[in-house]
Amino acid sequence: EIVLTQSPATLSLSPGERATLSCRASQSLSSYLAWYQQKPGQAPRLLIYDASNRATGIPARFSGSGSGTDFTLTISSLEPEDSAVYYCQQRYNWPPAPMYTFGQGTKLEIK
Amino acid sequence: QVQLVESGGGVVQPGRSLRLSCAASGFTFSSYTLHWVRQAPGQGLEWVAAISYDGSNKYYADSVKGRFTISRDNSKNTLYLQMNSLRAEDTAMYYCARDQDSYDSSGYYSNWGQGTLATVSS
Repeated sequence: EIVLTQSPATLSLSPGERATLSCRASQSLSSYLAWYQQKPGQAPRLLIYDASNRATGIPARFSGSGSGTDFTLTISSLEPEDSAVYYCQQRYNWPPAPMYTFGQGTKLEIK
Repeated sequence: QVQLVESGGGVVQPGRSLRLSCAASGFTFSSYTLHWVRQAPGQGLEWVAAISYDGSNKYYADSVKGRFTISRDNSKNTLYLQMNSLRAEDTAMYYCARDQDSYDSSGYYSNWGQGTLATVSS
């Protein structure tokens, strides 16, 4: 099983600052990684797929980068509504069947 | 717009069964792979199962293999999750999620329901 390790566990920043969230995989994923945002009481929302592609309707301040085992989600200028838990997820297809796993999450607090 | 509405959650004793449903609208249901993803209270996300657009392929996490069965009825635009031999550790919010791509699964979840809570407790 591929393990995804996210860091830091918690991040506290002010509006307008830049946030950098990390996700490290236990083996190479190529670019098969996504990022989701989850606010309290809500379902997750897809932000980034295939490491660097923004999903439909996602603001340009969200960007993803990386490949192989190291990936980054960057929020360029934080807004108060960006307060949420962010999860990475891999979609590497293991034979004979796909196994999708998530990281444990990074909680982003906006001061 | 895409809408996914889960139902069927509740409180059930260990060892018993529960059947979850997910009613879909706003897209061509029969063209998409669908997934169940769960989240234990205060915890992270765990992929549970997936079913291909035509129901011919089904995949499960090791934690539920042999106990849970995913199925779909494309004539009713509805996804199901039959959960048997339930354990306390199956307690979670269960979300249904639509795959991002039609036909060939991308493995990413572009649309989610609001979830249904299943609690396994004596």
